[in-house]
Amino acid sequence: GAVVSQHPSWVICKSGTSVKIECRSLDFQATTMFWYRQFPKQSLMLMATSNEGSKATYEQGVEKDKFLINHASLTLSTLTVTSAHPEDSSFYICSATSGIGTDTQYFGPGTRLTVL
Amino acid sequence: AQSVTQPDIHITVSEGASLELRCNYSYGATPYLFWYVQSPGQGLQLLLKYFSGDTLVQGIKGFEAEFKRSQSSFNLRKPSVHWSDAAEYFCAVGPVLGGATNKLIFGTGTLLAVQP
Repeated sequence: GAVVSQHPSWVICKSGTSVKIECRSLDFQATTMFWYRQFPKQSLMLMATSNEGSKATYEQGVEKDKFLINHASLTLSTLTVTSAHPEDSSFYICSATSGIGTDTQYFGPGTRLTVL
Repeated sequence: AQSVTQPDIHITVSEGASLELRCNYSYGATPYLFWYVQSPGQGLQLLLKYFSGDTLVQGIKGFEAEFKRSQSSFNLRKPSVHWSDAAEYFCAVGPVLGGATNKLIFGTGTLLAVQP
């Protein structure tokens, strides 16, 4: 149980285009989803917290207009990188929890974004 | 301030040898503690977690961790390492006090290499 998927697993795009990444909880309802960014050989950097049916909460320094997050249902959250640039190239990972408080985060397999 | 420290950036052990990965935290209350493992190019998999109760926690893949309040530590151990254990290991603590629930703080990770 507690499986989280991401799609696509990798994507290459041209500079200036937008890319959408999907995060799905396959066997549970995710009231909260998190989006992380991970640079090579570094830890995870939390970008935003997404609660179903409400606006995402972004961490300090993360541009909300550039990284659009939508959590339209209890099993799906999307991250759209708008007007992507090479510096947006990174590994993006989502996680999901099914409850409130300190419930465990279950992670997706990640999406490798390369912007040319 | 809340923080997680993994003092060892890189560790190499021989297959069959025992393993201990260190994790120290700074937290204003009783924390909830997690160990995750990440294989190259993959998301994070939960190894074990501590919320309360018995301070020695058993996880998957033969791992265990011990919560020591007096030392503010949550070290991960395995009695006999297998080559497949080579990966990056992240310690995390939560929830972030004063903010949204479920948020975790991650350590910088320890990269484990296993020698034949």
